[in-house]
Amino acid sequence: EPEVTQTPSHQVTQMGQEVILRCVPISNHLYFYWYRQILGQKVEFLVSFYNNEISEKSEIFDDQFSVERPDGSNFTLKIRSTKLEDSAMYFCASSEATGPSYGYTFGSGTRLTVV
Amino acid sequence: GEDVEQSLFLSVREGDSSVINCTYTDSSSTYLYWYKQEPGAGLQLLTYIFSNMDMKQDQRLTVLLNKKDKHLSLRIADTQTGDSAIYFCAEAPGSWGKLQFGAGTQVVVTP
Repeated sequence: EPEVTQTPSHQVTQMGQEVILRCVPISNHLYFYWYRQILGQKVEFLVSFYNNEISEKSEIFDDQFSVERPDGSNFTLKIRSTKLEDSAMYFCASSEATGPSYGYTFGSGTRLTVV
Repeated sequence: GEDVEQSLFLSVREGDSSVINCTYTDSSSTYLYWYKQEPGAGLQLLTYIFSNMDMKQDQRLTVLLNKKDKHLSLRIADTQTGDSAIYFCAEAPGSWGKLQFGAGTQVVVTP
């Protein structure tokens, strides 16, 4: 069964450093998403991406965050200058189209620890 | 505002039924979802229900929706040890891609 692949599974970074979280969505999917889950809290929507541009973003997704689809396969989330409160599990997801009948396939996540 | 609430933990004996409850606040949500997360894995879509339905059954899974009370439940019949996981309730308030998740219910199945 096709999977969404996220790398690395765990990243430790120093406060103030830039990090790039990588995702390889399912190949025929057109819609891409990032979510995050701070330990013990809810899974929160960050951003959706379609046709090489951001479709929607949450309040969390401020100027420190950016997304990119640099080639035909990768979808990345960059945090420019990490803060301690950015420590969380980050999930990438993709879908063939929008709507529940298509479902969203999530990756297994990248655990980001900012020290 | 949008909010989804779930109880955090459920312990159930193997073979019994599990019932996981969820409340949501956005009455405009047309679809409600249940996701499962096993250790080290991503979020797996288990099932979803359209808001004009009261019930949806899919093998061992039964979803009940009380739209008046904004209450959603997931019943797992004949719970197995492989059902041990975190179960997330989610709604899509007006935007397909922007799922609003609960904090997840950790289900532990004991022999």
